[in-house]
Amino acid sequence: DTGVSQNPRHKITKRGQNVTFRCDPISEHNRLYWYRQTLGQGPEFLTYFQNEAQLEKSRLLSDRFSAERPKGSFSTLEIQRTEQGDSAMYLCASSLGAKPNYGYTFGSGTRLTVV
Amino acid sequence: AQSVAQPEDQVNVAEGNPLTVKCTYSVSGNPYLFWYVQYPNRGLQFLLKYITGDNLVKGSYGFEAEFNKSQTSFHLKKPSALVSDSALYFCAVRDRGGSDRGSTLGRLYFGRGTQLTVWP
Repeated sequence: DTGVSQNPRHKITKRGQNVTFRCDPISEHNRLYWYRQTLGQGPEFLTYFQNEAQLEKSRLLSDRFSAERPKGSFSTLEIQRTEQGDSAMYLCASSLGAKPNYGYTFGSGTRLTVV
Repeated sequence: AQSVAQPEDQVNVAEGNPLTVKCTYSVSGNPYLFWYVQYPNRGLQFLLKYITGDNLVKGSYGFEAEFNKSQTSFHLKKPSALVSDSALYFCAVRDRGGSDRGSTLGRLYFGRGTQLTVWP
């Protein structure tokens, strides 16, 4: 499968615990994006990388959130001290570059439930 | 600020009938516009995009969309709906910017989504 892979697909955690999600983009894609989607809403931008550089972070990304892409390949999104409001689908997407005709490829997402 | 509005939370049509899913946008300058579809517990799948050129854009699975600059709209259409088209549809916009590296370049702004139900 040469698409965008996200793991795990589902995560249930207790409030206050830390969680980490992984995204493996399409191998030749240098841009990687994280979005969050809550019920009844469209995806909201969190952050994006060009290779290993994190170029932009949304105000939605509080201090409890951190994302990395250490070698410009896979990326991780960590949430520390989870809260119930963090429950959402976390989507990863990748693209070949900045030009819009390259398009985005989205993964299937990681659904986080904080209990 | 860039924003997208999908005025209908739900659209219901009978199989074989034409369908329209509405989208209006607000963006500084000329936009790039996209439609994505999402099936339950799945990520978003690309349907079509408007970058430049012909205002009528044809995409996957028989869908098309018309860019209307004066009305700032990008409605999704299909001449004959299928039951299998039932899904959640998202309109998205991004700005053009002027360089490959910019603070908001690459970010998509999504609407809230429209649930399309096609009944047999």
